[in-house]
Amino acid sequence: GIQVEQSPPDLILQEGANSTLRCNFSDSVNNLQWFHQNPWGQLINLFYIPSGTKQNGRLSATTVATERYSLLYISSSQATDSGVYFCAVVPSGTYKYIFGTGTRLKVLA
Amino acid sequence: EAQVTQNPRYLITVTGKKLTVTCSQNMNHEYMSWYRQDPGLGLRQIYYSMNVEVTDKGDVPEGYKVSRKEKRNFPLILESPSPNQTSLYFCASSLSFGHEQYFGPGTRLTVT
Repeated sequence: GIQVEQSPPDLILQEGANSTLRCNFSDSVNNLQWFHQNPWGQLINLFYIPSGTKQNGRLSATTVATERYSLLYISSSQATDSGVYFCAVVPSGTYKYIFGTGTRLKVLA
Repeated sequence: EAQVTQNPRYLITVTGKKLTVTCSQNMNHEYMSWYRQDPGLGLRQIYYSMNVEVTDKGDVPEGYKVSRKEKRNFPLILESPSPNQTSLYFCASSLSFGHEQYFGPGTRLTVT
């Protein structure tokens, strides 16, 4: 089946720093979403981005489906950005979501 | 308030004792799904439902059952729980497949 790899697995930043999280996938997909899980366990959808670029405040995401990767950019990071970031893909021809193992981000004040 | 609710939030049970985790959404969403989250493995999809009476297996369906008799409810049933089903479970819903998913608060299940 499809493999979804996220990098880096762990990231520590000072407040105000920028970062880029990567999601690679091994086969064609119909759908890609990014999620944030905060330190209390709550999961929030950040982006639905099967292709192209989207921005929402300090966050933006780019997916290049033909090259099988997506990037999540966090600018001017804040302590509230801490948590785990997951990407999830839907392999072509299916209705299932396959999640990566996540990037754990810690932002230091 | 638009939300996905799960009950119970915490459950400790014994091997073989049937249990049901309920999931309900008030957003009139078509697509609903169950995931389990385990350390180092991320989230894995158990079952999903495209709409009422239509359900299908995710990546890890063994040992679980679901039903979707009404649009708002999607219960997860463990007929004979085993210790390897100890996990954190999330229910999610979306307007339809492929749209933004909204997650419930999670149910932490321990099977001894």
